[in-house]
Amino acid sequence: AQKVTQAQTEISVVEKEDVTLDCVYETRDTTYYLFWYKQPPSGELVFLIRRNSFDEQNEISGRYSWNFQKSTSSFNFTITASQVVDSAVYFCALSERGANSKLTFGKGITLSVRP
Amino acid sequence: DAMVIQNPRYQVTQFGKPVTLSCSQTLNHNVMYWYQQKSSQAPKLLFHYYDKDFNNEADTPDNFQSRRPNTSFCFLDIRSPGLGDAAMYLCATSNRRGSEPQHFGDGTRLSIL
Repeated sequence: AQKVTQAQTEISVVEKEDVTLDCVYETRDTTYYLFWYKQPPSGELVFLIRRNSFDEQNEISGRYSWNFQKSTSSFNFTITASQVVDSAVYFCALSERGANSKLTFGKGITLSVRP
Repeated sequence: DAMVIQNPRYQVTQFGKPVTLSCSQTLNHNVMYWYQQKSSQAPKLLFHYYDKDFNNEADTPDNFQSRRPNTSFCFLDIRSPGLGDAAMYLCATSNRRGSEPQHFGDGTRLSIL
């Protein structure tokens, strides 16, 4: 069975601070996909990134960066120089391959960025 | 812009009165999903369609049903809403199950009086 753990529940930072959101996953599959989604107060889930299990390269997109480490089953997300607009709930999710696969979400991390 | 559109944004219904939520997509994706999300929780998958093939989650109550009359539209029917069904309902689409990211609509917030 697949599982995603986001141990942090709430994080509060001051604008311009860097913040890292942790994600640890469990799966028995060798092929799987990891995702991060952002859910701002308005409610829609916004897709941020997908990583497949064969691609351990870290990724940077503007102020966002992701660190995927299979050795520790982690897929952490760092926001550099945080801004108030980054305030949201962030979900890490895992999907396995196959017709019966579904997205397993972590419980989410509420990030508050104060001015 | 191609997108997933949910209507209405807010829905109020009475206890026991059937309600239908709608979702449409312009992405031409094969898969459409319905999730229920309660306050401070992760989204919970209710069911999904792969083309016309309906896939129900084992723990989805019988009170919840879905229809997909064509590729673009999918409906969530709640036959007899109870107070516990008050939640945000999210529709999502993807081109494939598993490997492809899901694209979500803005959600419909359902209140039960």
